Amino acid sequence: NAGVTQTPKFRVLKTGQSMTLLCAQDMNHEYMYWYRQDPGMGLRLIHYSVGEGTTAKGEVPDGYNVSRLKKQNFLLGLESAAPSQTSVYFCASSLGPILPYEQYFGPGTRLTVT
Amino acid sequence: DQQVKQNSPSLSVQEGRISILNCDYTNSMFDYFLWYKKYPAEGPTFLISISSIKDKNEDGRFTVFLNKSAKHLSLHIVPSQPGDSAVYFCAASAGRINDYKLSFGAGTTVTVRA
Repeated sequence: NAGVTQTPKFRVLKTGQSMTLLCAQDMNHEYMYWYRQDPGMGLRLIHYSVGEGTTAKGEVPDGYNVSRLKKQNFLLGLESAAPSQTSVYFCASSLGPILPYEQYFGPGTRLTVT
Repeated sequence: DQQVKQNSPSLSVQEGRISILNCDYTNSMFDYFLWYKKYPAEGPTFLISISSIKDKNEDGRFTVFLNKSAKHLSLHIVPSQPGDSAVYFCAASAGRINDYKLSFGAGTTVTVRA
C-alpha cells in the first residue's frame, strides 16, 4: 500500500515549456486535490476532483489544467510554464469530504521554472 | 488574503518541555480546524482536529484548544520530543458551505533541542 505517490519528485523547466505532474493513489479515494506551497504561505488549492471524470477549480487555478480519467490518478498540467509557477506541488486524496475524512498527502514535486 | 495565520514562523523548545503553537483565523464561517505535521521531503500528515462545537481535543501528547470568540486556536505538545521537530500547519474548513476546501496557515517550524 503506497498511499499517494507523485511523479516526478523534481523538475526544472524553461519558461514556456509544458509538463504534466502525475498523482496516483491506491486507497480507492473519491476526492483528489492539487495544492501548491510557496515560501511564507500555506498550501493553496489549485484544482480538485470529487470523483472520476470530474474536476473543479480551487483558489489559484490560473495557468493549470487537470484531468481525472481514472479514479486512482489525478494529473496536473502546465501548458506554458512561467517563473511564478516555481513552487512545491502537493497532491492529496480523501475518502470523502473534509469532515470527517482525512486528506492524505503525497511527498511533493519541487518545480523550478527559469 | 490569508484567512488563517500562524504568526510565529519558528519555535525552539527544550526536550521534555511544552511546545505551544498558535493560529488565528478571520473567517467566522470556519467550523472545523486541523493541525498537520510535515517533515522535510515528505507531505503533510494529519495530526489532530477540533470541531467548533468543542473547545478542547486531546490525543496523547497533543492537545488543541479553540477560542471561538477570539478566533484563535493553539496546539500544545507535552512533553516535546526530538521527533516532534517538524513544520506544523494549522488549517481550517467551512464545512457547512463547502466540503472540499482547506485554508492553511504558513506553518511554524518547531525545533526540539536535546
